[in-house]
Amino acid sequence: KQEVTQIPAALSVPEGENLVLNCSFTDSAIYNLQWFRQDPGKGLTSLLLIQSSQREQTSGRLNASLDKSSGRSTLYIAASQPGDSATYLCAGYSGGYQKVTFGTGTKLQVIP
Amino acid sequence: SAVISQKPSRDICQRGTSLTIQCQVDSQVTMMFWYRQQPGQSLTLIATANQGSEATYESGFVIDKFPISRPNLTFSTLTVSNMSPEDSSIYLCSVNRDFTGEQYFGPGTRLTVT
Repeated sequence: KQEVTQIPAALSVPEGENLVLNCSFTDSAIYNLQWFRQDPGKGLTSLLLIQSSQREQTSGRLNASLDKSSGRSTLYIAASQPGDSATYLCAGYSGGYQKVTFGTGTKLQVIP
Repeated sequence: SAVISQKPSRDICQRGTSLTIQCQVDSQVTMMFWYRQQPGQSLTLIATANQGSEATYESGFVIDKFPISRPNLTFSTLTVSNMSPEDSSIYLCSVNRDFTGEQYFGPGTRLTVT
């Protein structure tokens, strides 16, 4: 059974700082890995999808990497802004597209 | 990407009643998923809904409590039946792109049961 853990559970940083969010998974037979952000009381917004054959994806100030052998993914946020404040969730796909396991989330606060 | 809408966005319901949540997608999709997010928790998959067949429920979720309809390729409903305060959660529907598997979520329905 796939288990996905995110550390830290909460993070507070000053504006402008670069930061890394971590996601660990137990089943290395992971297919895809996707990062989301969730604003309070809202749905999830897809940030980056790393497909099975890929090792990283970039979008603007965001870069996500995937290392299946070590069971880890990281989300790098450059030059953080107050608008980045949200909860960040990673989700691992096993056994094809249907079996998705979500991490516990990291709540990020960027202080102006 | 996919644009997904949900109705209602939020509701406050009394114990013992039922609420039906609607999910509409702007394009045809094979599978639609229903998730529950309890306060302070991550997402838990309730069931997968395919058009023209019975929904597939995850362990711990049953059809009598969470009946699902999927009448066509762009629409689904989830009913939360005989509600109790423990059902207070955000309920989210999602779809995935058939080619990449990337998931997209609706804005969620925030349910409070009193």
